[in-house]
Amino acid sequence: GALVYQYPRRTICKSGTSMRMECQAVGFQATSVAWYRQSPQKTFELIALSTVNSAIKYEQNFTQEKFPISHPNLSFSSMTVLNAYLEDRGLYLCGARTGRYAEQFFGPGTRLTVL
Amino acid sequence: GMPVEQNPPALSLYEGADSGLRCNFSTTMKSVQWFQQNHRGRLITLFYLAQGTKENGRLKSTFNSKERYSTLHIKDAQLEDSGTYFCAAEMTNSAGNKLTFGIGTRVLVRP
Repeated sequence: GALVYQYPRRTICKSGTSMRMECQAVGFQATSVAWYRQSPQKTFELIALSTVNSAIKYEQNFTQEKFPISHPNLSFSSMTVLNAYLEDRGLYLCGARTGRYAEQFFGPGTRLTVL
Repeated sequence: GMPVEQNPPALSLYEGADSGLRCNFSTTMKSVQWFQQNHRGRLITLFYLAQGTKENGRLKSTFNSKERYSTLHIKDAQLEDSGTYFCAAEMTNSAGNKLTFGIGTRVLVRP
């Protein structure tokens, strides 16, 4: 079956520091990977979409300078939260899929706490 | 307005009851997914629909792209159905897999 793993599941960092999170697709080739954030008591916002053979596209309010993403192959993606502050707290989800019209499979998320 | 409007924001029902959630879309959507978020935050996929209706046990979902809505129906609610439910839709002109989420519905099933 199609599985998506995320690492770490939880992380705590000091304000102003950075942390990296990883996403791995198992059992399928992730031709596109989307990173979302769910802030406390809110819904999911798309941060950026990474598609094979295309540039990574960031949504409004999210930048490459703040959330650099790497998508080196069809099974792995990583995202770093640079200079994390309180407003960056939340659950970061990675959604991956293969093909243009397939459903998106989600990992369990990385929960970021900023002190 | 919001691309995806989800209602109700909260739902309380007794065990054995039936109820439904609905998402209205401001534009034509290509597909919709419904998720249940458990207490650990994990999104559990319930349905993926490009059109029509699907059933899985006590759950049933319908997606009508032309009428711009999707519904999730819970039949004979059980305690384990408690959680937050999200619909997420992909726009027809989306080049990738961008999903726009509804605000979620907090469902509480009481004994």
